[in-house]
Amino acid sequence: EVQLLESGGGLVQPGGSLRLSCAASGFTFSSSAMSWVRQAPGKGLEWVSTISGSGGSTFYADSVKGRFTISRDSSKNTLYLQMNSLRAEDTAVYYCAKDSTQVVFQVDYWGQGTLVTVSS
Amino acid sequence: QLVLTQSPSASASLGASVKLTCTLNSGHSSYAIAWHQQQPEKGPRYLMKLNSDGSHSKGDGIADRFSGSSSGAERYLTISSLQSEDEADYYCQTWGTGIAVFGGGTPLTVL
Repeated sequence: EVQLLESGGGLVQPGGSLRLSCAASGFTFSSSAMSWVRQAPGKGLEWVSTISGSGGSTFYADSVKGRFTISRDSSKNTLYLQMNSLRAEDTAVYYCAKDSTQVVFQVDYWGQGTLVTVSS
Repeated sequence: QLVLTQSPSASASLGASVKLTCTLNSGHSSYAIAWHQQQPEKGPRYLMKLNSDGSHSKGDGIADRFSGSSSGAERYLTISSLQSEDEADYYCQTWGTGIAVFGGGTPLTVL
């Protein structure tokens, strides 16, 4: 059974940093690209970032490019999202997602999410 | 620019069927999409991948009541024999070179 468990969310001041983690199990971690998707309060889903199975390719939404960094550690089956220079508009539930092995970017499993609140 | 448009709301009666629509913008009518369901206060759940020819592959444990179809730039999700737990937000998703995109979502009310 695929399981994705996010952690690391919390309250942070504008301009601050936070690192999210996602512990993955139930599938061959290195065979799947992984993504982060967020959802602001009362809003829809927004793609944030994707990393290839090897970790060699990374992709970002324009809204986070230059501020967020996605990475993965296959020895720990863990996905990360380093978030710097946080803004109020980054406030959201952040979901870890597994991509299809056939199609990068196409989500086929979701985590339960971790809430990030950016406020003074 | 890759854009998905979804109806702002939908409703249908318990036991009936409903068809939700996701429209790809001009120049992207051949793209495949994925459908996701988000029940209240829960994380999303993957339902299916839907190709431009209407073929689709469902996620693990997705009931036969959920099916997909395509026509031109439109992608459909049909839910038959509606149950109360089908009341949820439904999102379509697509992807291109270096990017993924979600539609705005359609909240479905089961009457």
